[in-house]
Amino acid sequence: SQQGEEDPQALSIQEGENATMNCSYKTSINNLQWYRQNSGRGLVHLILIRSNEREKHSGRLRVTLDTSKKSSSLLITASRAADTASYFCAIPNSGYSTLTFGKGTMLLVSP
Amino acid sequence: DTAVSQTPKYLVTQMGNDKSIKCEQNLGHDTMYWYKQDSKKFLKIMFSYNNKELIINETVPNRFSPKSPDKAHLNLHINSLELGDSAVYFCASSLDREDQPQHFGDGTRLSIL
Repeated sequence: SQQGEEDPQALSIQEGENATMNCSYKTSINNLQWYRQNSGRGLVHLILIRSNEREKHSGRLRVTLDTSKKSSSLLITASRAADTASYFCAIPNSGYSTLTFGKGTMLLVSP
Repeated sequence: DTAVSQTPKYLVTQMGNDKSIKCEQNLGHDTMYWYKQDSKKFLKIMFSYNNKELIINETVPNRFSPKSPDKAHLNLHINSLELGDSAVYFCASSLDREDQPQHFGDGTRLSIL
């Protein structure tokens, strides 16, 4: 299965702290995506990292990809209460535009 | 100017009924999807439609059927609803490439009594 596995399942931090979430997968990929889901809402695309990239930044987000270890991490710096959400990694299904999502990390940022 | 909209937001019905969920996207995407998210937030692809043709059909019961009247719409019909169908159903769209982000609707919460 291409399914990514996020770690940890839940993370609770204080505002201003950094949050790191990890995703491991099983087979070779061309890219990996991260999504955020706020409570009661649909998923929102955050960032895509390609297999030839080791690190990518977008605002307070930093994503790394280690294809040798088949893992990716999402770092949110200087977290805010508004970052409270579930975060999912997504792996493309080979040859298709469909994605397989991991089970997600639930992040709680307390004021 | 909502990108992907689905209706209704909530659907409460009894076992055995037939229901439909509608989805529309105004992003000009050529591929649309239906996902099911269970109570543990696990998101599973159900269907994918590209230019009105079904290109992936995961192992979902044939009580579920996608219907696409045009490229901007992908509706989900469910016959003979069962208790296990209770979940949140999400519609999404993208361009037909594996390096394209998917855009999601806000979901339809289906509750079977």
